[in-house]
Amino acid sequence: DAKTTQPTSMDCAEGRAANLPCNHSTISGNEYVYWYRQIHSQGPQYIIHGLKNNETNEMASLIITEDRKSSTLILPHATLRDTAVYYCIVRVEHTNAGKSTFGDGTTLTVKP
Amino acid sequence: DAGVIQSPRHEVTEMGQEVTLRCKPISGHNSLFWYRQTMMRGLELLIYFNNNVPIDDSGMPEDRFSAKMPNASFSTLKIQPSEPRDSAVYFCASRLIQGSDTQYFGPGTRLTVL
Repeated sequence: DAKTTQPTSMDCAEGRAANLPCNHSTISGNEYVYWYRQIHSQGPQYIIHGLKNNETNEMASLIITEDRKSSTLILPHATLRDTAVYYCIVRVEHTNAGKSTFGDGTTLTVKP
Repeated sequence: DAGVIQSPRHEVTEMGQEVTLRCKPISGHNSLFWYRQTMMRGLELLIYFNNNVPIDDSGMPEDRFSAKMPNASFSTLKIQPSEPRDSAVYFCASRLIQGSDTQYFGPGTRLTVL
């Protein structure tokens, strides 16, 4: 699976959009981009995933660049409860290979 | 759905004792993962099963660790003998192989070995 690079930490004002970048320059054509987050003392939680088209769900939007070498997770109106570590992972979908390497992620702090 | 269930939520034991962590995956899921999380090493994959069969245990730290999945609804992770450096939060996750790769994590077991 391709390696990802994320900033160590970011701050965001409550009510504003939080834009979390992820670099995955070695991504393969059949690898998807997945985002998870981990709120303190809880298990990681799935947020969203995509291949090459932008995706949106009730939690967030995922913007993937045309060359697929980077992506941005957007939380449109961040709340204090969005304070968490956000992990960007790339991997092939629909395989028996279950490994997902969680790197260090980005610690997002939403401030009042 | 109750989600992934793990027990116990907290475990405190003394060095040398046997520890057994338990996991019940989401009903219908056919892939199960065990992770360990520490401040120093982050979230590490220990082992995963597909259809109750261990596929990759290369993340298991040493022979003191063993994992079983006797049926589709239950898995155990055993540490014998336990050591202080095994202190961590252990997460279980499950997914549906035929679906997306979305993994659903349990609440974790916080293990402290004194």
